[in-house]
Formats: sequence, C-alpha cells, structure tokens
Amino acid sequence: AQSVTQLDSHVSVSEGTPVLLRCNYSSSYSPSLFWYVQHPNKGLQLLLKYTSAATLVKGINGFEAEFKKSETSFHLTKPSAHMSDAAEYFCVVAERGGSYIPTFGRGTSLIVHP
Amino acid sequence: DTEVTQTPKHLVMGMTNKKSLKCEQHMGHRAMYWYKQKAKKPPELMFVYSYEKLSINESVPSRFSPECPNSSLLNLHLHALQPEDSALYLCASSQEPGMSNQPQHFGDGTRLSIL
Repeated sequence: AQSVTQLDSHVSVSEGTPVLLRCNYSSSYSPSLFWYVQHPNKGLQLLLKYTSAATLVKGINGFEAEFKKSETSFHLTKPSAHMSDAAEYFCVVAERGGSYIPTFGRGTSLIVHP
Repeated sequence: DTEVTQTPKHLVMGMTNKKSLKCEQHMGHRAMYWYKQKAKKPPELMFVYSYEKLSINESVPSRFSPECPNSSLLNLHLHALQPEDSALYLCASSQEPGMSNQPQHFGDGTRLSIL
C-alpha cells in the first residue's frame, strides 16, 4: 500500500527567502515520487519527478527535491522564493509493482510575502 | 499552454440538465483520467481509461458517465447532478497505462456549478 503525508497545510515565506515543503511517503514497493504545482483556477503542472535515478532531482523554476529512503522523505526546496511561486503544491506517490494509480498528498499552500 | 485541452472552462447547470465535459490530448498518451477536485483539496480519482477501455471506476455515482470515443478524446456525460457535485473537474493523461514512473499531464479543468 502507498500513502503520502504533506506535513504542512500552509507555508509562509518572504520573497527572496528559501522555501521548504515537506513530504513523507509510505510504499510497499519502489516508489515513484512527483511534485506538482497548481495555481488558482489552473490544472496541475509537473515540477519534478523521482524514478530511481539520481536522488537529488532538479525541476522547473529553480525547484529541487531530494529522495531520502532512510527517512522516507521527498522534501521540495527552492533557494529563493518569488511572488509567482505562491500556489498549491501536491506531493504524489505511485508504486512500481503495486497499483500504478498515484496517491496525492493533501496539498501545501505556499504563501509568499513581498 | 497545457497539452491537455478541456472544454468548457466553466459550466452552470440545473439538477435536471444533461451536459458533457470534453477532454482532448494529442500526445499519443494511452491512459486518460477524470478527477474531481473540491476547493483546497487534492484531486480525487473518478475514472481511468487504458487503451480506450474503462479500467477503473472509483465507485462513482451513475449520474456521471464517462466515454472514450478514441485515443485522443475523453468525455464525461452529466445527468441529474446534485449541488454537492459542484467542483473543478480535471482531465489528465499519461503515456502508458500501468507505468507508475510516468507523470500525468493535466488540463486546466472545467469549473462546474450545480444550481
């Protein structure tokens, strides 16, 4: 079985400061992990994905995430927040060898202050 | 611009109406999905089509009827909906069914309001 926990429902940062969005997962098989971003009244856009290659994954718009098997974590980071980063972020897990249907975390709302 | 196109963007309908949502992709993807999303919540899976065949129905009420006329097109037919069905309906596609390492590509959704 697979599950994903986004530890924060809201994260608030100032523009220009680092961003950390936390995600922990549970999986009976080797997981694939994804981060998606959703801006208001828009669909979900893929930021980055982990599929068993490099554990440090770089994505679009300066985001990156590190897969840590020992901690079952896949936290999303960005060195410097921009106003346009304000959005809802979803961590998603899908198991290889199990159900391929992705499981979504509850979402984290990123608020960026000027 | 998204590669998955959904129409209409907004739909208001009464509880006795019949309407359809349309989703189109031209990426050659063979898996297509319908999701329902309420405000401030993650998307909830409704249906999955694999190679134009319905492979997963997440116990969705029969007032929602999906259809996949061809590999590029996915419809969701609506009839006798309830106010609680008001939500954002998202369509997504992925390259091959059953491949968990492939990301989903989402449309911008149809915002549905039931009067």
